[in-house]
Amino acid sequence: GENVEQHPSTLSVQEGDSAVIKCTYSDSASNYFPWYKQELGKGPQLIIDIRSNVGEKKDQRIAVTLNKTAKHFSLHITETQPEDSAVYFCAATGSGGYQKVTFGTGTKLQVIP
Amino acid sequence: NAGVTQTPKFQVLKTGQSMTLQCAQDMNHNSMYWYRQDPGMGLRLIYYSASEGTTDKGEVPNGYNVSRLNKREFSLRLESAAPSQTSVYFCASRSSSTDTQYFGPGTRLTVL
Repeated sequence: GENVEQHPSTLSVQEGDSAVIKCTYSDSASNYFPWYKQELGKGPQLIIDIRSNVGEKKDQRIAVTLNKTAKHFSLHITETQPEDSAVYFCAATGSGGYQKVTFGTGTKLQVIP
Repeated sequence: NAGVTQTPKFQVLKTGQSMTLQCAQDMNHNSMYWYRQDPGMGLRLIYYSASEGTTDKGEVPNGYNVSRLNKREFSLRLESAAPSQTSVYFCASRSSSTDTQYFGPGTRLTVL
């Protein structure tokens, strides 16, 4: 099955700086890569996703890049704000199509005011 | 729209007791999922249901059973709870048009 590794496990940045979270996946058949944000005491919520036919996608201060050859994808958050503090999860579909995703182990981001 | 709802929010069980976690969605999604979340291990899939009437095992199904009661409801049952099942359980449903999974607020379960 698919294996997703996520780094770093914790990340502290000053408000206004950028944050980068990296993930690698094992199954070359993976074709959908969502990123979820989980605030304390809540369920994860999708913030951005990318499909295998696209190399980069942006949504305001958030961007995701995908390198299919190297089998890695990254989340970039610019101009970080205290409300960006949360746990972020990457995920990949594996060869099972869009029905299931395998999640990374999460990155706890702390934005210091 | 309430989205995905889960009951109960918290539960404490003794080893060997049984219980059912309830989940319902009002978004008319075909696919529903049960995950467990443990520190440092991310979200691991227990069972999923691609449509009403079907269920399939995920990564960590042992010790659990599920029922897709109808299109809205997907329940998770622990027949004989063990301390290793202490975790936070999340239910989710998936939009077939966007592939986005929508998560419920979670159930925090402690097995003593």
